[in-house]
Amino acid sequence: AQSVTQLGSHVSVSEGALVLLRCNYSSSVPPYLFWYVQYPNQGLQLLLKYTSAATLVKGINGFEAEFKKSETSFHLTKPSAHMSDAAEYFCAVRLTGGGNKLTFGTGTQLKVEL
Amino acid sequence: DAGVTQSPTHLIKTRGQQVTLRCSPKSGHDTVSWYQQALGQGPQFIFQYYEEEERQRGNFPDRFSGHQFPNYSSELNVNALLLGDSALYLCASSRGGANNEQFFGPGTRLTVL
Repeated sequence: AQSVTQLGSHVSVSEGALVLLRCNYSSSVPPYLFWYVQYPNQGLQLLLKYTSAATLVKGINGFEAEFKKSETSFHLTKPSAHMSDAAEYFCAVRLTGGGNKLTFGTGTQLKVEL
Repeated sequence: DAGVTQSPTHLIKTRGQQVTLRCSPKSGHDTVSWYQQALGQGPQFIFQYYEEEERQRGNFPDRFSGHQFPNYSSELNVNALLLGDSALYLCASSRGGANNEQFFGPGTRLTVL
């Protein structure tokens, strides 16, 4: 069975500091991996996705993530946090050939302070 | 181009009642998936509809049922509501049945009293 673990339900950074949100997955086959962002009272917006091409994936709003098979990780980073980045972030996994079902982590609430 | 739309935005029901939530997919999309997001949790997959049939189902009881119409819009029905059904219900649409990016709607907030 596939699953996703997000370490840290709340992360706080200063504006301009590095953002690092952690995601580890477990899957018996190479998965597709995703990061979504959710702003208050809104649905989910796709930030970036890994689909077995380049291991370093660049997304929207300056975010990127690196797929590390040896560590079963797909951590999300951004070099410099902005106040507008404050939101909840979800890592998700989808099995290749397993239809479109996404399995989400429990989310990380990112707070950006002045 | 309208994205995924859902109605109603908010809904309050009492235990034992039945509820119907609606979703219109993004233009050009023919596949609709439903997710339940309890407070403080990640979304959980309920089921997916493609070509008016349920194609995949998550670990939800039969009280949760759905339908897809010829225009690709979809309904989620929940019978015999429980307090634990209180959640944000998200609809996501995609193109081609599987393995394509899902676009999410803003959700319907269901409160069961």
